[in-house]
Amino acid sequence: DTAVSQTPKYLVTQMGNDKSIKCEQNLGHDTMYWYKQDSKKFLKIMFSYNNKELIINETVPNRFSPKSPDKAHLNLHINSLELGDSAVYFCASSDNRGGKYFGPGTRLLVL
Amino acid sequence: AQKITQTQPGMFVQEKEAVTLDCTYDTSDPSYGLFWYKQPSSGEMIFLIYQGSYDQQNATEGRYSLNFQKARKSANLVISASQLGDSAMYFCAMSPPSGNTGKLIFGQGTTLQVKP
Repeated sequence: DTAVSQTPKYLVTQMGNDKSIKCEQNLGHDTMYWYKQDSKKFLKIMFSYNNKELIINETVPNRFSPKSPDKAHLNLHINSLELGDSAVYFCASSDNRGGKYFGPGTRLLVL
Repeated sequence: AQKITQTQPGMFVQEKEAVTLDCTYDTSDPSYGLFWYKQPSSGEMIFLIYQGSYDQQNATEGRYSLNFQKARKSANLVISASQLGDSAMYFCAMSPPSGNTGKLIFGQGTTLQVKP
């Protein structure tokens, strides 16, 4: 009964490749997010979607393209991967009270 | 601009003792939410506790309580009766109202080690 799930959990790829990370939440929340945690463990918001519509894009390079086919899913596609993209990417969803629930994270390593 | 500051990069506590993890925040918004998350070595982000800026009482969830001092802009996490499983990184975060986009702004984190 995972509330927020992400696949894959680990992703190792070569520079220049294109990859996708999928996220699904079964909590019925309207708002979903992508966060990036860098090597120093600092967490920063990347995108936020509300009812399939983009509401936050925190100056993320346009190589990153989120897609929300429905309000339970928010996928992240990354084009032309760079070494600096190596990080842990967390999907999250939010209830009306403000509670934020995170997925298990996807550990991306770009070689 | 909103900001969260955690000044303790690392903390040690003896098992069964209480520990306080510090968090201060900066915002000019009257309405905001404050959160604490635990990140164990396995990497997942576990929601611990939430405090709304208008909540009259300090939030408590089991062994976790949030010492909310609005005038000082602090939201310290108190863990009572520490257990070995509490060893983890702890993040304080704030959600500004911002039209209810609900994004979280995180502090730098505090690593807690519980000693047996």
